[in-house]
Amino acid sequence: GAVVSQHPSWVICKSGTSVKIECRSLDFQATTMFWYRQFPKQSLMLMATSNEGSKATYEQGVEKDKFLINHASLTLSTLTVTSAHPEDSSFYICSARRHGGDTQYFGPGTRLTVL
Amino acid sequence: ELKVEQNPLFLSMQEGKNYTIYCNYSTTSDRLYWYRQDPGKSLESLFVLLSNGAVKQEGRLMASLDTKARLSTLHITAAVHDLSATYFCAVVFDSNSGYALNFGKGTSLLVTP
Repeated sequence: GAVVSQHPSWVICKSGTSVKIECRSLDFQATTMFWYRQFPKQSLMLMATSNEGSKATYEQGVEKDKFLINHASLTLSTLTVTSAHPEDSSFYICSARRHGGDTQYFGPGTRLTVL
Repeated sequence: ELKVEQNPLFLSMQEGKNYTIYCNYSTTSDRLYWYRQDPGKSLESLFVLLSNGAVKQEGRLMASLDTKARLSTLHITAAVHDLSATYFCAVVFDSNSGYALNFGKGTSLLVTP
């Protein structure tokens, strides 16, 4: 149990377009989901924390108008990168925490390349 | 400032040898995690350490936690090539933040014949 999926696995888009990434908890309800970004050969950096039904909490330096996060249900959170630019190219990983638990279950990641 | 520091950042070791990766953190933590990441892949959970003196072992890997020293170690015994990967420690500093993880920079391990 505790499987998290992400879609798409990889995406290539043109500069200026928007990209939506989905994160789903397949076999449990996730009250909290986290979005991380990882640049090549670097660590994971927390971008935002989202709780179902409420606004996401963004980390310092992360533009909330650029990285739109929606956590509309207990099994789905989406990250939309608006007006993407090449510097947004990165590996985006989500994780989910079930209600009452403290373990985060990580998705397989989405590799975004902006041309 | 919340900091998680790992060392070494890069490690090349021969098969059969032992080595330890260190993870220091800057302030009191609820819990500490170790993850493995293979190139192009997401994170695989290895260990979660919840209390001072906790020790967990899985195969050739053993993790320990000293909360007084704010130090965790990941010990590799008789390394094999399959252990080549990047290893991250991550710390929860604030349970009220929803258990958000603060990651170290990672230790890139290469095990050679």
